Amino acid sequence: AQSVTQPDIHITVSEGASLELRCNYSYGATPYLFWYVQSPGQGLQLLLKYFSGDTLVQGIKGFEAEFKRSQSSFNLRKPSVHWSDAAEYFCAVGANNNNDMRFGAGTRLTVKP
Amino acid sequence: GAVVSQHPSWVICKSGTSVKIECRSLDFQATTMFWYRQFPKQSLMLMATSNEGSKATYEQGVEKDKFLINHASLTLSTLTVTSAHPEDSSFYICSAGAGGLKPQHFGDGTRLSIL
Repeated sequence: AQSVTQPDIHITVSEGASLELRCNYSYGATPYLFWYVQSPGQGLQLLLKYFSGDTLVQGIKGFEAEFKRSQSSFNLRKPSVHWSDAAEYFCAVGANNNNDMRFGAGTRLTVKP
Repeated sequence: GAVVSQHPSWVICKSGTSVKIECRSLDFQATTMFWYRQFPKQSLMLMATSNEGSKATYEQGVEKDKFLINHASLTLSTLTVTSAHPEDSSFYICSAGAGGLKPQHFGDGTRLSIL
């Protein structure tokens, strides 16, 4: 079965600084990869997804992620963080037709003024 | 974009009560709906997968008689927590998928507090 590891439980960055959130996956076939963001007490919002094709994926809110098969990674990046980006970020991997989705433990992002 | 509505957003009730949570896909037909449970500061744990018109598939360790799932139409799935107890208190989130390569879309979650 597929699995996801997010090595960083909590990250703090200054507003305007760049951001990279790490995600490593384990899956025997081509994975379907996702990044979601969750604000406190809210559901999950899809930031971006990778199914195939270009390994650099652009998402909403200025986020992008790069799929690196050799490293089994799908790290999320943003060149300049805004205070409103403070939230919990989840990486997820789906098998088959993405109906079987597994989530990482999440990374909590704090943005310093 | 696709919208999934989950209701209620917050419920507090006495121990022993049964609680029903609804999950609706508002602008697409959801062939599959998913129910997750999230403990504070933890990730989402898949509880069960439901397909319209068939029985739900429960993950290992999830009591199907405790967490009743009904997916009666392509736009509605319900989760009923039967005879709820304090240890059932949690944040429950549903998601809906239209199948194929379309990603799941999540509801805003239901915070369940059992006194």
